[in-house]
Amino acid sequence: EVQLVESGGGLVQPGGSLRLSCAASGFTFSSYSMNWVRQAPGKGLEWVSYISSSSSTIYYADSVKGRFTISRDNAKNSLYLQMNSLRDEDTAVYYCARSELVTNFDYWGQGTLVTVSS
Amino acid sequence: QPVLTQPTSLSASPGASARFTCTLRSGINVGTYRIYWYQQKPGSLPRYLLRYKSDSDKQQGSGVPSRFSGSKDASTNAGLLLISGLQSEDEADYYCAIWYSSTWVFGGGTKLTVL
Repeated sequence: EVQLVESGGGLVQPGGSLRLSCAASGFTFSSYSMNWVRQAPGKGLEWVSYISSSSSTIYYADSVKGRFTISRDNAKNSLYLQMNSLRDEDTAVYYCARSELVTNFDYWGQGTLVTVSS
Repeated sequence: QPVLTQPTSLSASPGASARFTCTLRSGINVGTYRIYWYQQKPGSLPRYLLRYKSDSDKQQGSGVPSRFSGSKDASTNAGLLLISGLQSEDEADYYCAIWYSSTWVFGGGTKLTVL
């Protein structure tokens, strides 16, 4: 059974940093691309970042470019999102989502809530 | 102007059909893109429904009933999600998405009320 479990969310002040993790199991993690997608409270889905299976290709949404860094450790079956210079508008539930190359997100984690507030 | 525009809400009766639109910004040709559709019920994770580019390039999500289908309207530059035989369990938010300029772009979502 495919499982994606996010962790690392919490309350942080504007300008602060946070590192999210996503632990994957039930599939060959190193064969799949991964993404971070967020959803602000009561709002729609917003894609954040993409990383290919080998980490050779990385993309970011304009809204986070230069502030967030996606990475993965295939030996640990883990995906990460380093978030710096956080803003109020980054408040959201952050989901890790699996995709096969650049195609649909087929599995989602339960999400971790990041709240940016003073 | 957003890349993808969806109506905020849609309502329909049980047993009827619902037609969701996802309009691409002027200058972005709907014929070029695969349109992906996701369903999100309250308190649940998004679920992949299907993708549609053309009748020869389409995919139904795993376990998604055939009463969910995709198409396009070139005249309005829109991707379409059609749900026939509406059931109360179809009440949810529906999002379209495309891979555009090396980013995933989601529409703002349409809330379907089945009443």
